[in-house]
Amino acid sequence: KAGVTQTPRYLIKTRGQQVTLSCSPISGHRSVSWYQQTPGQGLQFLFEYFSETQRNKGNFPGRFSGRQFSNSRSEMNVSTLELGDSALYLCASSLARTTNEQFFGPGTRLTVL
Amino acid sequence: AQTVTQSQPEMSVQEAETVTLSCTYDTSENNYYLFWYKQPPSRQMILVIRQEAYKQQNATENRFSVNFQKAAKSFSLKISDSQLGDTAMYFCAFMKLQTGANNLFFGTGTRLTVIP
Repeated sequence: KAGVTQTPRYLIKTRGQQVTLSCSPISGHRSVSWYQQTPGQGLQFLFEYFSETQRNKGNFPGRFSGRQFSNSRSEMNVSTLELGDSALYLCASSLARTTNEQFFGPGTRLTVL
Repeated sequence: AQTVTQSQPEMSVQEAETVTLSCTYDTSENNYYLFWYKQPPSRQMILVIRQEAYKQQNATENRFSVNFQKAAKSFSLKISDSQLGDTAMYFCAFMKLQTGANNLFFGTGTRLTVIP
């Protein structure tokens, strides 16, 4: 079974632009969560989608948004990019059942210049 | 709010030796999961071991075991017979056992280096 895939793997943008990152979960997984990883703040939860609905949200500004499609693939969007948005963005999928084990993708490295 | 603390930013261990990574957490929840994740230099986060808070028995996965002390809110990871492939960042993480709360709270990580 294929693992979690994220595209693109690397991205360079300039301040003020917007960006869309994509995540394809493991087949059969209906929950997709997004995390931001930075050297200063560590790993922080952005949001979780389950059955096309945002079920849980972290403490990030409204510039960060996401969605999930009927095939469970998810996208996250960051508008009006700031230098501080430079980070590794990790996506994780799970069955969202009792085990709650999350499987992570390789991440997208976003650099904002 | 949940917080997870890893007080050892960096550690090193000789190959074949045993090392213990520390983790403490703070929560008012009674039902939750605790995890140790490994992030090698290639960056793919991998689950090492999981502990359900309602289970008193410490989890074990091959060379990896935990010492879970619920009253003390402590969750340490022991790696036995350390191998070069164990070199990675290790993150301790907490998750509430609650539908719709499928998010992890991570510690700041411990960078482990296995020395040949």
